[in-house]
Amino acid sequence: GQNIDQPTEMTATEGAIVQINCTYQTSGFNGLFWYQQHAGEAPTFLSYNVLDGLEEKGRFSSFLSRSKGYSYLLLKELQMKDSASYLCAVRNNAGNMLTFGGGTRLMVKP
Amino acid sequence: EPEVTQTPSHQVTQMGQEVILRCVPISNHLYFYWYRQILGQKVEFLVSFYNNEISEKSEIFDDQFSVERPDGSNFTLKIRSTKLEDSAMYFCASSEQASGGDTQYFGPGTRLTVL
Repeated sequence: GQNIDQPTEMTATEGAIVQINCTYQTSGFNGLFWYQQHAGEAPTFLSYNVLDGLEEKGRFSSFLSRSKGYSYLLLKELQMKDSASYLCAVRNNAGNMLTFGGGTRLMVKP
Repeated sequence: EPEVTQTPSHQVTQMGQEVILRCVPISNHLYFYWYRQILGQKVEFLVSFYNNEISEKSEIFDDQFSVERPDGSNFTLKIRSTKLEDSAMYFCASSEQASGGDTQYFGPGTRLTVL
């Protein structure tokens, strides 16, 4: 089975840095994705990790430790528009299905 | 930038009725997916489709559901006899490949309300 855990909500201040954690226990592993989802909208792709380490993409970075079943998404220089839900999703070995966590709702305050 | 599109954006139907949700994947993509998200809950995988057949499906995707690629551009999800618990946002997604870092791009969704 697949189990993916993320905090339900986080609050941060504009201009600050926030780290959103994700832990997973899955029957297989073939990559971890982070998506951003604004309320009522579709998930949009942010980052992908399949090997251990840090992937950096502008203000967003994502880290993976396969041995620990752990990932985090780091958002720097927070902007008000970053207020959204951030979804951690794991692809298993068997195919291309993504299993999503419940999402972390981030609120950025002035 | 190419996008996945979905129609309609909202669909209201009576319990027991059939609905067809439509999607146009990104044109050079070969793999297509349906996910659903019940209000306030997580995104859940329904089915993936490649080369005109289902490649993977979840427990949610029972006999009431079917998918089809009726032509070279559309990808549809049919629910034969809708139930109240089918009310959700349904997202279509597509990807160029199924493995590696290939990203699934999501459409804007169809909000289905079953009364």
